[in-house]
Order: sequence, then structure tokens, then C-alpha cells
Amino acid sequence: GAVVSQHPSRVICKSGTSVKIECRSLDFQATTMFWYRQFPKKSLMLMATSNEGSKATYEQGVEKDKFLINHASLTLSTLTVTSAHPEDSSFYICSAIGPSGQETQYFGPGTRLLVL
Amino acid sequence: GQQVMQIPQYQHVQEGEDFTTYCNSSTTLSNIQWYKQRPGGHPVFLIQLVKSGEVKKQKRLTFQFGEAKKNSSLHITATQTTDVGTYFCAGTREGAQKLVFGQGTRLTINP
Repeated sequence: GAVVSQHPSRVICKSGTSVKIECRSLDFQATTMFWYRQFPKKSLMLMATSNEGSKATYEQGVEKDKFLINHASLTLSTLTVTSAHPEDSSFYICSAIGPSGQETQYFGPGTRLLVL
Repeated sequence: GQQVMQIPQYQHVQEGEDFTTYCNSSTTLSNIQWYKQRPGGHPVFLIQLVKSGEVKKQKRLTFQFGEAKKNSSLHITATQTTDVGTYFCAGTREGAQKLVFGQGTRLTINP
């Protein structure tokens, strides 16, 4: 099946620093990837849709200058949390539309971010 | 905007009992997908339903998509401890790629 990887799996950073999270589709090309945020014991909240070669589409309430998304190739999207604060601590998960293009999304393993 | 409601939020059962989670959308869906997330893990795709009234089975799991394509259910027969986790439904509207997730149903099992 389609495999999506994320790096790093866990990151701890100081308040005010920026953190980059990578999402890769390993065995297929993904023109569309999605970034979600999940708080403990809560559902997944879509942050933005990342389209290869164009600007990301952000959901209402998500600051695009805070969460920078770059989808520079068909297999890589990055999410940069700029000037991170403790309230940005969360589980960030990416997904990619699978190779069949039939809207099934394959999720990466997630990145746990802790901002001190 | 589109909303997907899922109930119950939590369900605790004895091993061997059945379990059902229900999903309702405020709008007609193009398709509905079900995911399972184990504690500490990430969502894993289980199945996608596309047709009105569709029923699909995966061993002890039965998935249904309502006639109006606005609701769905997941039923697990004779639960096992390996079924523990949170089950999410997620739907897309016609012509859209974005998934809207339900709140999830967290299943715990007493062995």
C-alpha cells in the first residue's frame, strides 16, 4: 500500500524557535497533501491543503504566517511552525492522496511537538 | 460549514460483546471513510464507502453507508482486545478532496 513518512517523529524546542516537519510519500507521487493537528484525545483538525507547485490553502482560523507550508516536489511537503510557543505543542499529522487518486488519504506516523 | 458528528464519544465493552459507532453528516457526502487510531499511533485507513446504501464487511467489521449518503455506521461483532482504539469516520463532499473528521469513538475493552 501507499506509504507516507514524517520526520521528525518527536521534537522538543524552546519557545521562539522554528521547527520544520517533513512529510514524504515514499512509493507514489502526491500532488495533494494535507496537514492536520490533533490535540490529546481529540479528533483531527485540518490545518491546510498543500498542493505541489502552488500555495497552500489554509483552513479558517489557521495563521498562514505561523504555519508555513511548502510543497516543492511531488513527494515532499514541509510544515514549518515559526516562532513556536507552548500552545503550539501538539501532534501534527500529514496525509497524502493515494496513488489511485480515489480520495483515500494515507497518513504519516505523525510528529509530536513540545514547545518549552 | 460541513460537520460530521460521531457517537458515542466513548464505549467500554466486555471482550466478546458487539460494538457500534455512528456517524452523521450535515451535508450529503460523496464518500465516507473509516479510520482506526491506536493509542499513541496515527490514523490507519480501514475502508471507503461510496454508494448509497452500501454495506461492506471486513471479517468482524461491518460498515454501512446510508441511503441518503449522510450517515454511516461501523459495527464490530464479538470484540477482541486488538480492537481497542479510536474509530474515526471522515467524509468528503462531492468534488472536494478535503476530509472532515468526526470526533471519534474511543473503544476500550475489558478482557
